[in-house]
Amino acid sequence: DVKVTQSSRYLVKRTGEKVFLECVQDMDHENMFWYRQDPGLGLRLIYFSYDVKMKEKGDIPEGYSVSREKKERFSLILESASTNQTSMYLCASSLVGEETQYFGPGTRLLVL
Amino acid sequence: DQQVKQNSPSLSVQEGRISILNCDYTNSMFDYFLWYKKYPAEGPTFLISISSIKDKNEDGRFTVFLNKSAKHLSLHIVPSQPGDSAVYFCAASVQWRGGGGADGLTFGKGTHLIIQP
Repeated sequence: DVKVTQSSRYLVKRTGEKVFLECVQDMDHENMFWYRQDPGLGLRLIYFSYDVKMKEKGDIPEGYSVSREKKERFSLILESASTNQTSMYLCASSLVGEETQYFGPGTRLLVL
Repeated sequence: DQQVKQNSPSLSVQEGRISILNCDYTNSMFDYFLWYKKYPAEGPTFLISISSIKDKNEDGRFTVFLNKSAKHLSLHIVPSQPGDSAVYFCAASVQWRGGGGADGLTFGKGTHLIIQP
C-alpha cells in the first residue's frame, strides 16, 4: 500500500511566521504534489515536483515555495504566513506515467 | 474559469438505492478522469478512474460513465451504503505522454453524498 505521511495533522501559527509542512512517501514515487482544500473551492494545486530538486508552479503558488532535496520528501514553505493561508493542506504522490495520485491525511493550518 | 464542475454541492440518497454523482468539464484536452472520496479530516482516497478511450469502467459497486461529446461523466454507486457518506471529488487530467513529469489533477468542488438509513 502507498503511504503518504504529513508531519502534522493540526498546526496553529501566527501571522508573519515561517511555516514548514513536510510530506514523505514510501513508494519511490517520482511525482509529488501540494494542494490546498477550502470549503466550496475543492482542491487547488499549489506546486508539484517530478524529480529531486525540480519544481513547477501550480494554479495558486503565490505566497508559497517548495523544496525537494530527496525523492521521498517534499516540503511546502510559507515564507510569511497570512490569515488567508488558513486551510487544509494535502500532499500527494504518483508514479511517473500514472495519473492516479495518492494523498496524505492532510494538515489543517490555522494562521492567527 | 472552472474547468471541472460538480454542480450539486450535496445529494441525499436512501440506503440501498442508487447514488448518481455528476461532473462536467470544459477543457477538451482532458483525457483521463478520476473520482476520489473524502471523509472529514482525512485525505482523499482514490475510488475509480476512466480513460477517454472508454465510456464505462466498473469496480464492484462503483461504475463511472464518460460521455465525451457532452463532456460529462457520472459515478454510480449501487447499492448505496451508510459508509458511502462522504464528499466525492471529480478530477481530470491530460494523460502524461512521456518526456517529463505529470501535471497536477484539476478537481471539481465536490459533492457531499449523504446516505440515509
